[in-house]
Amino acid sequence: DQQVKQNSPSLSVQEGRISILNCDYTNSMFDYFLWYKKYPAEGPTFLISISSIKDKNEDGRFTVFLNKSAKHLSLHIVPSQPGDSAVYFCAATGATGFQKLVFGTGTRLLVSP
Amino acid sequence: DVKVTQSSRYLVKRTGEKVFLECVQDMDHENMFWYRQDPGLGLRLIYFSYDVKMKEKGDIPEGYSVSREKKERFSLILESASTNQTSMYLCASSRQGGNEKLFFGSGTQLSVL
Repeated sequence: DQQVKQNSPSLSVQEGRISILNCDYTNSMFDYFLWYKKYPAEGPTFLISISSIKDKNEDGRFTVFLNKSAKHLSLHIVPSQPGDSAVYFCAATGATGFQKLVFGTGTRLLVSP
Repeated sequence: DVKVTQSSRYLVKRTGEKVFLECVQDMDHENMFWYRQDPGLGLRLIYFSYDVKMKEKGDIPEGYSVSREKKERFSLILESASTNQTSMYLCASSRQGGNEKLFFGSGTQLSVL
C-alpha cells in the first residue's frame, strides 16, 4: 500500500517557467514532509521540508505548499532551470524522536532550454 | 563536507551468492539506513539502525540482513542473492532526533544474474 504517491512519473517544462510537482499521502499521522532531488549516478539530496504546522515554506526558487485537509503537497520551482532536471522524491514521516521516511515513487523533471 | 560512502558503484553477482554491501559515514551520525530504489516503486526501506549493534526491519526486509558493529559502518547482506534483488541500493545516515534530514551515499547498482 503506497502511503505517499506521486502520480506523475514525468514532467517537462521550459526554462524560465514554473515547475509544479505534486505529492499525495494517505496516512494522517504524517506530520513532516520533505523533498529530495536525485541526479543520475548520485544519491538523493535534501531540497526542502515543511512541518504540518505550516502551509508554506520557501527557500529561494523552491516553495513547498501543504494542504493537510486534502493530504496533498506540492513543490514549485520558479523559474525553472535546466540544472533542475532530475528525479524528485517527496517523503513523509510521522515519527517523533526517530526519523523513518516513507518515500513516493518519484517524478522525473526535464527542463528544456 | 558530510559524506556517506558506499564501497561499490556497480556489482554483478550470481544467483545464490552471498553479497555484502558496505556503507561508511563520517558524520558521527547515530542513525543509518538501507533503501532500495526501483523504477515505479521509489525508495523502499529495507533495514535501519539507530545505534551500534541495534537494527530494525524496514518495509521490505525479506532476503536481507544487516550488521552494525561500529557507529560509522552499516553493512547490508544478501544471504542468497536472487534475481529480484537486482536493484539500486542506497545507504543513508542521519543524526538522532526528530526530523533530521537523511544524507545519502551515491548508491550501488547490483545486478544478480
